[in-house]
Amino acid sequence: AQSVAQPEDQVNVAEGNPLTVKCTYSVSGNPYLFWYVQYPNRGLQFLLKYITGDNLVKGSYGFEAEFNKSQTSFHLKKPSALVSDSALYFCAVAGAGKSTFGDGTTLTVKP
Amino acid sequence: DTGVSQDPRHKITKRGQNVTFRCDPISEHNRLYWYRQTLGQGPEFLTYFQNEAQLEKSRLLSDRFSAERPKGSFSTLEIQRTEQGDSAMYLCASSLNHLTMNTEAFFGQGTRLTVV
Repeated sequence: AQSVAQPEDQVNVAEGNPLTVKCTYSVSGNPYLFWYVQYPNRGLQFLLKYITGDNLVKGSYGFEAEFNKSQTSFHLKKPSALVSDSALYFCAVAGAGKSTFGDGTTLTVKP
Repeated sequence: DTGVSQDPRHKITKRGQNVTFRCDPISEHNRLYWYRQTLGQGPEFLTYFQNEAQLEKSRLLSDRFSAERPKGSFSTLEIQRTEQGDSAMYLCASSLNHLTMNTEAFFGQGTRLTVV
């Protein structure tokens, strides 16, 4: 079975500060890891993925994530947060089939 | 718009009625997923198709739920004898997958079901 844990329901940061949204996973075999973002009244949007290769992956809107195999983590990061980054963020893990999602982390960036 | 589209966007039904939702994936995508999302939770997997074949169905899915993807194009999700616990947002997603490799999914805006 595969699973994802997002240990923080809420993350608050000030605009311009770095942000981190945490994710740990469990899966058999090589993991496929994803981050998605959900804005109010909109569908989930893909941000970035790790399939293989470099442990640091870059995605949309200046976000990046670091894959750490020994810690089974895939934390989402951004060097300088924007108010417009405020949204609900989901981490997901997949084997060859379906993706399993965490329960989400609400990011609030205050001016 | 060439994204994933779902119809209807909202559905209110009385308990015990049957409902059917439609999903049109991105045209070249061979995989189609159905998820269910309730407030405060992440999307919960229901089922997925590779072309027209239904490859996996969640054990959480009762036999009141059925999904089809005829000819590997659009998909329908039917819920029979709806219950109040079925109230949720039903999400459809599609992706282009090669053999055993997984890739990112593109989601529709969902169908919000309210059972009264």
